[in-house]
Amino acid sequence: GQNIDQPTEMTATEGAIVQINCTYQTSGFNGLFWYQQHAGEAPTFLSYNVLDGLEEKGRFSSFLSRSKGYSYLLLKELQMKDSASYLCAVLTDSWGKFQFGAGTQVVVTP
Amino acid sequence: DAGITQSPRHKVTETGTPVTLRCHQTENHRYMYWYRQDPGHGLRLIHYSYGVKDTDKGEVSDGYSVSRSKTEDFLLTLESATSSQTSVYFCAISELAGDTEAFFGQGTRLTVV
Repeated sequence: GQNIDQPTEMTATEGAIVQINCTYQTSGFNGLFWYQQHAGEAPTFLSYNVLDGLEEKGRFSSFLSRSKGYSYLLLKELQMKDSASYLCAVLTDSWGKFQFGAGTQVVVTP
Repeated sequence: DAGITQSPRHKVTETGTPVTLRCHQTENHRYMYWYRQDPGHGLRLIHYSYGVKDTDKGEVSDGYSVSRSKTEDFLLTLESATSSQTSVYFCAISELAGDTEAFFGQGTRLTVV
């Protein structure tokens, strides 16, 4: 079956760094995406990896290892507004279908 | 922000009644999707569309049907609502099926009593 695993919750202090890990086993792989979702709101796109390695985008970086079925999202210089759920998603085919993890709730404390 | 509007935003309905949720886009994107989001499960694909009148099932399609008669509108119908269909429903659109992110609507919170 298809499986995407990520931790349920992580807590970190403002200004710190947090790394959210995601492991996946899916029937197809066309890329790995990270979305941010604030409570009661729509998911919004953060980053995308299709090749192995690190993609950096401001305070956010994402890493992919396809051979290990592993990705992480790194959030640096945490701000209170970064408190949200972070969704790991695998694009599983050429029709644009995603398989999502259950999300990691990040709580940023003062 | 991508132009996606879901309606209604909130609905309470009784078990056994039909319910239709609407997704409207102004981006002229070819691909549209309906997901449901439940605690502990993440987003799960119900149905998707790759063009007008072209639709297919996702992983949790039982009890749901869809229609797309115009590029801009994708309707999700719960034929006979059950309590297990209480959820938050998200519509998403995508310009290309691969190598690009999906944009999500604001969601519809549906409660079946």
